[in-house]
Amino acid sequence: AQSVSQHNHHVILSEAASLELGCNYSYGGTVNLFWYVQYPGQHLQLLLKYFSGDPLVKGIKGFEAEFIKSKFSFNLRKPSVQWSDTAEYFCAVKRGNKLVFGAGTILRVKS
Amino acid sequence: EAQVTQNPRYLITVTGKKLTVTCSQNMNHEYMSWYRQDPGLGLRQIYYSMNVEVTDKGDVPEGYKVSRKEKRNFPLILESPSPNQTSLYFCASSSFGAYEQYFGPGTRLTVT
Repeated sequence: AQSVSQHNHHVILSEAASLELGCNYSYGGTVNLFWYVQYPGQHLQLLLKYFSGDPLVKGIKGFEAEFIKSKFSFNLRKPSVQWSDTAEYFCAVKRGNKLVFGAGTILRVKS
Repeated sequence: EAQVTQNPRYLITVTGKKLTVTCSQNMNHEYMSWYRQDPGLGLRQIYYSMNVEVTDKGDVPEGYKVSRKEKRNFPLILESPSPNQTSLYFCASSSFGAYEQYFGPGTRLTVT
């Protein structure tokens, strides 16, 4: 079955800590990969995307993600989180005409 | 302003009473889609549309209908809502080939 797995459902960090959120997918072949963020009470916004080329992609607000094809992974990172990064983060894979989301990771940053 | 709008934003209804959630985009996007968001399950695709009069099932289409008579509109129809359709619903659109989807603000539906 098609699936996208996010390793942690809840993450709590202190401000200035480093962040890494795991994402693995189960498709072979060509995929397009995304990370979306949903701030409290808001709709989803695109953080970054990978289509091809450099496997290290940079997005908005200091986020980056690394595509590792051999591991079917697309992990999200940020060197130093801020209180304003408190949100739910979703990894997504576009396969054909469908966009398949992971279950999401709720990040809470303590000030 | 480029945006996806949904109405209503909040809806409480009773089992079996037909309802429609509207979605409209002003970006001339070909692709539109509906998702439902449930805790611990993320977003699951209900239906999508590649263009006018072209729709297809997503991963959880049971109990839902859609139509795409105009490019800008993609309403979601629940003919006979049931409590298990209580959820947060998002509409999204994208330009064909651009892949990045723009999401609406969401509609919180409660079926009692």
